[in-house]
Amino acid sequence: AQTVTQSQPEMSVQEAETVTLSCTYDTSESDYYLFWYKQPPSRQMILVIRQEAYKQQNATENRFSVNFQKAAKSFSLKISDSQLGDAAMYFCAYRSAGGKLIFGQGTELSVKP
Amino acid sequence: KAGVTQTPRYLIKTRGQQVTLSCSPISGHRSVSWYQQTPGQGLQFLFEYFSETQRNKGNFPGRFSGRQFSNSRSEMNVSTLELGDSALYLCASKSSTGNTEAFFGQGTRLTVV
Repeated sequence: AQTVTQSQPEMSVQEAETVTLSCTYDTSESDYYLFWYKQPPSRQMILVIRQEAYKQQNATENRFSVNFQKAAKSFSLKISDSQLGDAAMYFCAYRSAGGKLIFGQGTELSVKP
Repeated sequence: KAGVTQTPRYLIKTRGQQVTLSCSPISGHRSVSWYQQTPGQGLQFLFEYFSETQRNKGNFPGRFSGRQFSNSRSEMNVSTLELGDSALYLCASKSSTGNTEAFFGQGTRLTVV
């Protein structure tokens, strides 16, 4: 069975600085998708970034980028120029082709002004 | 385009009662998934419906059931409520075309007393 592990329950970053959130996963599948979701206090899950496993190029969305290491089964999220609005719970998630989402335990990110 | 709508937003029920939660997906989305979020267990997959058929099911007891209507709206039912069923229930919809990301609603906060 697939598993997703986020080893950092809490992280803190200074406004305008860069922070990296870690995620590792375990799977025997070759075709899958990885996601980072953000859950602010409103509790709505918001997609931050996605990565297809067959793509070697790391995904980037504005200030958010990932470091996808397929062999190491690692999928970290880098947030550049952190803003107060980035404060939230961040979840790493795995999905096999057409399958369910499997989430990590989450990392709570706080941003200090 | 309206997002995923879940009703009600908050619910308080007594042990032993049953509850029905509703989810209206994004227009055109035919896949609806349900997730349970608790502080202890994190986010766990309940089930997925596609074109009125259950396509995938998580590891939950039979007290948890769901259905999907012809307009893609979905309901989730929990019978004989237990204190441990207190959670945030999230619904996500996905387009039927390809492996696109899931879009989440704001959730229903269920409290069992």
